[in-house]
Amino acid sequence: IAGITQAPTSQILAAGRRMTLRCTQDMRHNAMYWYRQDLGLGLRLIHYSNTAGTTGKGEVPDGYSVSRANTDDFPLTLASAVPSQTSVYFCASSERGDFNYGYTFGSGTRLTVV
Amino acid sequence: GQNIDQPTEMTATEGAIVQINCTYQTSGFNGLFWYQQHAGEAPTFLSYNVLDGLEEKGRFSSFLSRSKGYSYLLLKELQMKDSASYLCAVRDRDYQLIWGAGTKLIIKP
Repeated sequence: IAGITQAPTSQILAAGRRMTLRCTQDMRHNAMYWYRQDLGLGLRLIHYSNTAGTTGKGEVPDGYSVSRANTDDFPLTLASAVPSQTSVYFCASSERGDFNYGYTFGSGTRLTVV
Repeated sequence: GQNIDQPTEMTATEGAIVQINCTYQTSGFNGLFWYQQHAGEAPTFLSYNVLDGLEEKGRFSSFLSRSKGYSYLLLKELQMKDSASYLCAVRDRDYQLIWGAGTKLIIKP
């Protein structure tokens, strides 16, 4: 693993089903984020975690939940998928100790809810 | 509310120079980032500005004016591989990144 790994790469999901998107990083970054990216809307923050054991809500948290049991893993769960959750999902991480830290992104999960 | 504005799409010619503008209105300011995103790929970090002025990195430069809430990304000697979307993001007072919708740059031969 180098950087951030997301799985699956893509998924077609029936509405009403539960699904967990996986995100694992090997950089020991303390902050992690989940974004969705929709055409014309840019990246929107779903949930974030500043450090292991803590999570927070972003701009569009409804219908999603996260957990941060350890530094490396930050899974995103859709409890009951709806078509409006069709999107590309990016996991990202950063080192908040660095003043000019940028985010490192995973390669994304393309989710289609039908 | 918080807002980041950038042009939706720009077209430029290979070998030329292009400037992509970004204006922002945010709750506080703790730095501005530019990211490049090729179609179907993840965003990758290009530049960071926290003080007014120009930051140069090879063919790419980024400028910031905090008093005007304005930044631009300047790309010189354009290459076909520069065809991508360019995302402007501002870190607000809570250290959260606020993202623009991105500017799709099309390079023509």
